[in-house]
Amino acid sequence: DVKVTQSSRYLVKRTGEKVFLECVQDMDHENMFWYRQDPGLGLRLIYFSYDVKMKEKGDIPEGYSVSREKKERFSLILESASTNQTSMYLCASSTPASGRPGELFFGEGSRLTVL
Amino acid sequence: QKEVEQNSGPLSVPEGAIASLNCTYSDRVSQSFFWYRQYSGKSPELIMSIYSNGDKEDGRFTAQLNKASQYVSLLIRDSQPSDSATYLCAVNITEYGNKLVFGAGTILRVKS
Repeated sequence: DVKVTQSSRYLVKRTGEKVFLECVQDMDHENMFWYRQDPGLGLRLIYFSYDVKMKEKGDIPEGYSVSREKKERFSLILESASTNQTSMYLCASSTPASGRPGELFFGEGSRLTVL
Repeated sequence: QKEVEQNSGPLSVPEGAIASLNCTYSDRVSQSFFWYRQYSGKSPELIMSIYSNGDKEDGRFTAQLNKASQYVSLLIRDSQPSDSATYLCAVNITEYGNKLVFGAGTILRVKS
């Protein structure tokens, strides 16, 4: 089974802090994604990556950055956390080799609260 | 206009009934459509994908696609309480390459 592991299930941070959210997948997937999920807004794409050291902006990249130094790891960074970044963050991975382009495998999520 | 729209619900159906979940999308040339199920406190999981007009059946689930009307639906036959979840419609928006755009989801409640 594909396993996507997010480092922290729950985090509480203060405004202005730097926040790292880590995601690791164990199935050698090329594609990795970071979404945030908010009530009534669904999942919104923050950043994605199709290869090591490659990143592309999603729909809402402002206030975020990412790092992909190794194929299995995709990190989301909040340089200076703000209260409007309080949300559930979901990491996902996929591979074009599956023949199912929309099949994303999600991690359990990281619920971030910024005070 | 949102790219992928769903009625947020909740949609309540009695056990054993057919649940019908609907989704409309704005991109006329989208080719790939997906339904994800998300239980409360859990992450989404893919349950159905459909790529061509018509119906696609998988067990109790049927996905229906009408590209002319830009409409995709999910039917759940013989609904069970365990089907109670949020159902997310996702569309591969062509201009964004291989990026999925998700709807906000429909909450389904199956009452026993």
